[in-house]
Order: sequence, then C-alpha cells, then structure tokens
Amino acid sequence: DTGVSQNPRHKITKRGQNVTFRCDPISEHNRLYWYRQTLGQGPEFLTYFQNEAQLEKSRLLSDRFSAERPKGSFSTLEIQRTEQGDSAMYLCASSLDIMGQGNEKLFFGSGTQLSVL
Amino acid sequence: QKEVEQNSGPLSVPEGAIASLNCTYSDRGSQSFFWYRQYSGKSPELIMFIYSNGDKEDGRFTAQLNKASQYVSLLIRDSQPSDSATYLCAVNRSFQKLVFGTGTRLLVSP
Repeated sequence: DTGVSQNPRHKITKRGQNVTFRCDPISEHNRLYWYRQTLGQGPEFLTYFQNEAQLEKSRLLSDRFSAERPKGSFSTLEIQRTEQGDSAMYLCASSLDIMGQGNEKLFFGSGTQLSVL
Repeated sequence: QKEVEQNSGPLSVPEGAIASLNCTYSDRGSQSFFWYRQYSGKSPELIMFIYSNGDKEDGRFTAQLNKASQYVSLLIRDSQPSDSATYLCAVNRSFQKLVFGTGTRLLVSP
C-alpha cells in the first residue's frame, strides 16, 4: 500500500493522559499536514511541514500539542494532558509541492479517531 | 465570515438526476480549488480540482469556477446512490494551507 498510513486507527484514553499518533506519508511527498475533524465539520488545519521544517501552526494548536517530522519522513503528533474537547478524528495528509507552485493536491490517511473519557 | 462556506444540506436528489453543490470563499487571493468526497467514517478523497475560471469536466463530474463572484460549484450528472456522501470544498493560496468548508451532505435516492 503506497498511500498515507496512520496509526493507531482508534485511541481511547482517559482525561489527563498523553497520546501520540504516527503518520507515514506517501514516500515521494515533501509536504505533510495534520488536520482535525469533528462530527459535522470540515477538517480544520493544525500544522504542516515542508520536508522536516514545520512551516505553520494553527492557533487551534495549544501548547499541549506538538508535532515533529524528523528527517522529513514520518511525523508524530503528541497531545499532552488530554481533555475531552480533544476528542476528534486526527487526519494526516501529504502532498508533492513541485517547485513551490503551491497548487498541490492533498492525499489523506484513514485518520486516528481519538476518544477522551 | 467563514473563509469557505457551504450549505450543510442534506441535498436530496433522485437517482439519475443532476446534483449541484455550491461553495463560496472569502479570500480573493485564493488560487486553487478542490472538491473532496467523504463517506461516513472515512477520510476525504480528492475528486476534482480547478485552477482557472470556467468549467472542468471529468466523467460525471464538472467543477465550475467563477473568481469574480468567488464561488466554485460541483455538478454530478446521472447521480447514483453510491454518490451519497459529504462533499467538501477546499481552497488555498499558493504556498499556503488548504482551508475546508463544513461540507454538503448529498443523498441520492434509488
């Protein structure tokens, strides 16, 4: 399977616990995005990377959230001290930005459904 | 004002009819426009993209863009029950993130 891979598919945790999600993008893609989606809403941008550099973070991303993309390959999203409001589908997407054109198409993984009890 | 606005629906059409989905955006600097389809419990799947004013056709799908009026639409011809899903409109400026609307739920009845 050469698509975007996310693990785990589901995560149930208790409030206050830390969780970490992993995303493996399509191998030749240089951009990697994290979005969050709640029921009845469209995906909300969280952050994105160009290779290993984190270029933008949304104001939605509180200090409890951190994302990394070491070596420009896979990425991890960590949420510390989870709250019930963090319950959502966390989507990872990757794209190939050719020569800075910016008109790239995003390909999404299956997402990680987080439930905070 | 939301950056990307869509009617949440549901939009109900009979099988074989044309479904028309609309989207407006607020940023006049937007350059790329995308339509994603999302089945319940699944991740978004890219189905159409358009960069220039006018129409772009791909099979049963036609995307229409009018930058002066800041709207983009998606027409689905010969709608099938399998087209029942939420359709997400997304826009971006060059070098920047993709911004999504809330989606329009389409129901195609047999």
